[in-house]
Formats: sequence, C-alpha cells, structure tokens
Amino acid sequence: NAGVIQTPRHKVTGKGQEATLWCEPISGHSAVFWYRQTIVQGLEFLTYFRNQAPIDDSGMPKERFSAQMPNQSHSTLKIQSTQPQDSAVYLCASSHWGGQDTQYFGPGTRLLVL
Amino acid sequence: GQQVQQSPASLVLQEGENAELQCNFSSTATRLQWFYQRPGGSLVSLLSNPSGTKHTGRLTSTTVTKERRGSLHISSSQITDSGTYLCAMFSGGSNAKLTFGKGTKLSVKS
Repeated sequence: NAGVIQTPRHKVTGKGQEATLWCEPISGHSAVFWYRQTIVQGLEFLTYFRNQAPIDDSGMPKERFSAQMPNQSHSTLKIQSTQPQDSAVYLCASSHWGGQDTQYFGPGTRLLVL
Repeated sequence: GQQVQQSPASLVLQEGENAELQCNFSSTATRLQWFYQRPGGSLVSLLSNPSGTKHTGRLTSTTVTKERRGSLHISSSQITDSGTYLCAMFSGGSNAKLTFGKGTKLSVKS
C-alpha cells in the first residue's frame, strides 16, 4: 500500500498564476480531505469529499480556491490567481468511510508563491 | 470556533525519560487523534480514541471527553521520538473534519 500520494511535492509559482495540486487517496478509501499547514495558522481544514461528492467546504476560501474529485482515485485542489499568502503546505488525507474514521495523510505539496 | 490547545509548546528530555503531552479542547469532542510530524515530514497517525485509554508500543493516549481533555504519554523516550506531536479533535455528529492544535515540539537528547 503506497499510502496517500500527492504531486507535485514542491511547486513555485509567480503571483497571479494558477496552481493545481493532485492527490491520490489510499485504494479503497471513500473519503478525501484537504488541509493547509502554515507556521502562523497551523493545520486548517479546507474541504472534504465522500464517494466523490463534496460534503463540507467550510474551510475553503470563497474566492480563487476550488476542489474536485472526478473519480475515486484522485482529487485536485486548484488555486487561481495565486497570492503570496497562499504559500503553505497543502495536505491531502483519506479515510475508509469518512465520519470519525482515522485519517491518513499524504506527504503534502509545498507551494511557494513569489 | 472550536479550538484545541496543546501544552507544553516545547519539551526537552533526556533519553529514557517519560513525556506527558496535554490536549485541551473548547467544545465537545467525540474523538481525539494524535499525530507525529518530523520537520518537513508527513503527518503520521499514532493513536485515535473516543474516550478512555489506548496503548500502542511506548505510547498511551487517554481521552476524557466530558472534561474536554486528552493526553499522550511517551514512555522511555528515544532520540528518534524527537519531532512535533499534534492533537486533533473530531467534534461529533456527521462532522468529519479534524481541528488541530499547534503541537508540542519534543526534543530528546542523549
């Protein structure tokens, strides 16, 4: 079992460019989560899918951020018109059934916006 | 909003000493999950329990949800235990998102 896979591991973009982050959950897991980690804010929840359907996006910034799960094997987080304050480590996690099931995290994508 | 407070913020131990990490939360939590993270590393799930005590290896997690607190005990610490320990809470119902504390940074010296 390869665990949760995230690509790319590092991404540098210029201000105003678009960034797309990819996540492949653990095979057989039906729930996928996105979190963001910064030194100042710590780890913050962004959004959650279960069986590919969006369930909770209460942590997503209302502008420029969007997430999709087009099939059970991958999810994407897209940031349009990136800003320096978007610089963070973006973490994807998956769990068997969602709810309060144990979440397993990927290695993260470190995004730097210059 | 929901908050998770961890203490101490940092802890330095001699190898072989025990560590007690605390986690307090501001609203009713139905389960805590503890994670370990090395600098620049992935989050590794350690223990997850709704209440009571759970053991794995040298780790013991105790959760008292009625008192809004939990703890992680590390016995006989080793240098390789150094890193950051994060406490996260599930707040119940169908809510699946985790709310994290800022972590306890543990350094174990020889």
